[in-house]
Amino acid sequence: ETGVTQTPRHLVMGMTNKKSLKCEQHLGHNAMYWYKQSAKKPLELMFVYSLEERVENNSVPSRFSPECPNSSHLFLHLHTLQPEDSALYLCASSQDLREETQYFGPGTRLLVL
Amino acid sequence: QKEVEQNSGPLSVPEGAIASLNCTYSDRGSQSFFWYRQYSGKSPELIMSIYSNGDKEDGRFTAQLNKASQYVSLLIRDSQPSDSATYLCASRASKIIFGSGTRLSIRP
Repeated sequence: ETGVTQTPRHLVMGMTNKKSLKCEQHLGHNAMYWYKQSAKKPLELMFVYSLEERVENNSVPSRFSPECPNSSHLFLHLHTLQPEDSALYLCASSQDLREETQYFGPGTRLLVL
Repeated sequence: QKEVEQNSGPLSVPEGAIASLNCTYSDRGSQSFFWYRQYSGKSPELIMSIYSNGDKEDGRFTAQLNKASQYVSLLIRDSQPSDSATYLCASRASKIIFGSGTRLSIRP
């Protein structure tokens, strides 16, 4: 275990549903990240938070809405998703933005029907 | 579009042999380079980082960096079945960019 947990581990949702992914890190880190991993495609960085402030948003559609209420928790709110959004969503954390080593959570496997 | 390119594999290597994984990157501003290992159904795990030209060794793993040619490689000596996984290469300039990974299979 890396000290980063994610829930749920699996999620099936319809295109009209609203759901949220949760990430929690127990490492005392100050930076947290959301990644999307699709089959046979590179890991895509979606959002970066540092000390609860969003510092990066890589042209992610507005149907994905991140929230970072404190430095230990990160959420990804989902609404009106498309089937092509089906992927593994990974959360990661690092000591701070300058620290290169990122610790990944186990991911949430999302299927959009 | 800044990219990191890897051969998707699968790369099949006999147990005990050297596995060689290669990666090229397009952003000449990249300063940091990483190799992550991802077992099937698991999350990526950092196994090596390298920042300067040359070789960096850690146990059975050796990372090699050549900034002039913009390539990074990972050598795994004495390959074990437990090394079977997908290996992700990543580079970082202003942000980290991952390759799509190379699937490595160590056959007994």
